[in-house]
Amino acid sequence: SQTIHQWPATLVQPVGSPLSLECTVEGTSNPNLYWYRQAAGRGLQLLFYSVGIGQISSEVPQNLSASRPQDRQFILSSKKLLLSDSGFYLCACTGTGESSPLHFGNGTRLTVT
Amino acid sequence: GQNIDQPTEMTATEGAIVQINCTYQTSGFNGLFWYQQHAGEAPTFLSYNVLDGLEEKGRFSSFLSRSKGYSYLLLKELQMKDSASYLCAVRDSNYQLIWGAGTKLIIKP
Repeated sequence: SQTIHQWPATLVQPVGSPLSLECTVEGTSNPNLYWYRQAAGRGLQLLFYSVGIGQISSEVPQNLSASRPQDRQFILSSKKLLLSDSGFYLCACTGTGESSPLHFGNGTRLTVT
Repeated sequence: GQNIDQPTEMTATEGAIVQINCTYQTSGFNGLFWYQQHAGEAPTFLSYNVLDGLEEKGRFSSFLSRSKGYSYLLLKELQMKDSASYLCAVRDSNYQLIWGAGTKLIIKP
């Protein structure tokens, strides 16, 4: 089964600063990869997903971007953070098979001050 | 549009049984998932239903009726550690997951 490594666990950044969150996956090849955000007390919001190297689909227009430089690496970035970017960021992947569920990394709690 | 409805919050007693309902309206259907999320942690996968009926996994069971657009998660012999949010998600015709906002379950001694 796959293992998802996501770091850092917590991050406090000032408004206007850049952001880079990294996620790597072990135990599977060519996974579908996802970035989600969860605001406090809210549901999961899909930000980006990728079905392969260099292939990124954006679900929500915003000041965030994503890249997939390697098969099992997914990076979430921002050039200038906004207060509204605060939240719990989760990297996730699916394995092969139609019934394969989404598995999540441990998440990064981002606070923009 | 696509929509998934779950109760916002439920309260139950330790040792009892609780049923968390989920109704959905989506563009196509390719399976329904239930996840558990403890406060401050990532969601963890509980169950998957794609055919009508009941799937049982220990103390947890999940039921699906595709014709009614309805599912429930049944938790038996509740323990304090079951206090968490429970998320319902449906995979649509494009194989994208549509998420409910989650049900916060509070277990009282």
